[in-house]
Formats: sequence, C-alpha cells, structure tokens
Amino acid sequence: EVQLVQSGAEVKKPGESLKISCKGSGYTFSSHWIGWVRQMPGKGLEWMGIIYAGDSETRYRPSFKGQVTISADKSISTVYLQWSSLKASDTAMYYCARVRGITLLRGRDPSLYYVMDVWGQGTTVTVSS
Amino acid sequence: DIRMTQSPSSLSASVGDRVTITCRASQSISNFLNWYQQKPGKAPKLLIYAASTLERGVPLRFSGSGSGTDFSLTISSLQLEDFATYYCQQSYSAPPALTFGGGTKVEIK
Repeated sequence: EVQLVQSGAEVKKPGESLKISCKGSGYTFSSHWIGWVRQMPGKGLEWMGIIYAGDSETRYRPSFKGQVTISADKSISTVYLQWSSLKASDTAMYYCARVRGITLLRGRDPSLYYVMDVWGQGTTVTVSS
Repeated sequence: DIRMTQSPSSLSASVGDRVTITCRASQSISNFLNWYQQKPGKAPKLLIYAASTLERGVPLRFSGSGSGTDFSLTISSLQLEDFATYYCQQSYSAPPALTFGGGTKVEIK
C-alpha cells in the first residue's frame, strides 16, 4: 500500500525551532516529488513548496521562501519541513502529499499532468506562548 | 502567479440534488486542472485531474469539465457522503506551482 506517514502533533512557543517529517512507503520514493500544504484553522489549502526526493531539488512558493526549509533523506524515504523561529501565525495543519506525473494525450501530443494523489494524515502545529 | 477563484464559497443542497461548483483561473491553463474533496479532520482526496478524468475509484456521479480559464465540478446526484469541501487546483505551472482555489463547502440543506 502506498502511504505517507507524518510525525505527530507539536506544541511550541514563539521563537522555537521545529522539524516535522513525512515518511513514504509502498512506492519508489526517489522517483517522485513531495509537496507540503498548509491549512490554517478554518481556512483553505495553500501549497508551500515541493522537493524531488531523488536529488532534493526544492522549489518554494514565493510567500514561503525564507520562512521554511524543505529537505529530504532518500535513504530513509523521508521528507522534512522545518522552521528556525516559529511564529503564532505558523499555527496550522501541515500535510505532505506525493506529486505524481500522469502522461495523457492532448490531441496527438502527450502532456504531463501533476496531481497530489497520496496524502499524509497531517501534522498539527500549535505555536502559543 | 496563477490565481484560482472558486464560486460559490459555500452552498446548501439536499440528497439527490445536482450540484455544480465553478473554478476560474486568472490566465489560461488549458485543461491542467484538478479537483479534490476534503472532509472535516481528514486529508484531501484527489477526485479529478486533467479537468475531466476521474481518479480511479471515484464514483461516476462526479464529473468535471472546462478548458482555458473556466472549469466546473458537477455531482449529478448528491449523496450523504459528498457533504464536504471541494478545492480546485491548477497544475499548468507545475512543478512547482500547484495553486489551490479557495474551496467550496457543500452543506446539508
């Protein structure tokens, strides 16, 4: 079974550091991108960034660049999301998701469609003094 | 940055109703559009990709259409288990950008 299992809930104080994890199993981990998605309380989904597990190439949404760091250790099929100095506004649920590329024909030409097809269970991060 | 706008933000419907949710992109994205369903306390679930292709295992009452900037998700006959929040997502500029719309909450009337 293909799955992503995330680390447990965290309660931190402002200014503290944090690293949460997402471990993949049941598929070739190094052949896919993994994305991180934030969901603040009562709000919608925001993609934060993605990492290619094979070579750790990482791309961030501009609004998250410099605010978080995404990394991977393919030897243990795990991707991380970390903060060096948490703020109360980082309080949210964080999901990791596998990004799968699907090739479909559009007319005669193949096109590559990306989807988030397997999701972790989410990690709740609460930042409060 | 491609922006995705969904409407309505919420709707009330009854079991058996036909429900349509719309999603508009700020620029043409061809058919690079995904739909997800999220139930309270759960991770999102992929329903549709490439605007109209059903993910394996998704009931046939779900359908998607559209191209360019305007898209829709239709549930032909709403079931109890369909009450949830639905999100569109563009993948035109992926990787990396996989921008979501703001969501549409489907509630019981």
